[in-house]
Amino acid sequence: AQKITQTQPGMFVQEKEAVTLDCTYDTSDPSYGLFWYKQPSSGEMIFLIYQGSYDQQNATEGRYSLNFQKARKSANLVISASQLGDSAMYFCAMREGYNNNDMRFGAGTRLTVKP
Amino acid sequence: GAGVSQSPSNKVTEKGKDVELRCDPISGHTALYWYRQSLGQGLEFLIYFQGNSAPDKSGLPSDRFSAERTGGSVSTLTIQRTQQEDSAVYLCASSLGSSESIYNEQFFGPGTRLTVL
Repeated sequence: AQKITQTQPGMFVQEKEAVTLDCTYDTSDPSYGLFWYKQPSSGEMIFLIYQGSYDQQNATEGRYSLNFQKARKSANLVISASQLGDSAMYFCAMREGYNNNDMRFGAGTRLTVKP
Repeated sequence: GAGVSQSPSNKVTEKGKDVELRCDPISGHTALYWYRQSLGQGLEFLIYFQGNSAPDKSGLPSDRFSAERTGGSVSTLTIQRTQQEDSAVYLCASSLGSSESIYNEQFFGPGTRLTVL
């Protein structure tokens, strides 16, 4: 069964506007962590933001924030004030449990920022 | 400090040949992961190693694929009798692998681009 679902293969956003990239997950473990990575055309994977299942507040890192809705099992990434350099693939990932270091990734969303 | 390194960066091989891809994780990282990324696709989990535990091989697509990790550090992914559908970028990642925290940022290598002719 798919653990991480990213339903948007591609997204477009106008420069300086905000954009939300969707991610839903499936787990029965009460302890889990959610991660977002960015992969520019150069290919490297860049860690962006992390949300723990017990965190009371939504994670924020600069222009990145995570809209964490636990009951809906969604962890959408919000990028504010989009920049041309934000054009990339974005992957959502999850780790389940303290004794399991396995990480599973979604299929990704390709974001294109238009000038 | 040094990040995750992978070699070679590019590998072109003929169908039917065996290839070995190498990954050097960050020193002290106990968890090591291999992923495959086909052109324009997401990351496909292949295998992961955690310390001295038996590796999780659940993602290996066929018995032509195998991996080992020697001394808890360097890992080699071997593909035997390569096929054209094996062409992809093979990414390696490592993490601290702590069981005390869910936080488990993976640090990725630059990948090996494999082309099977």
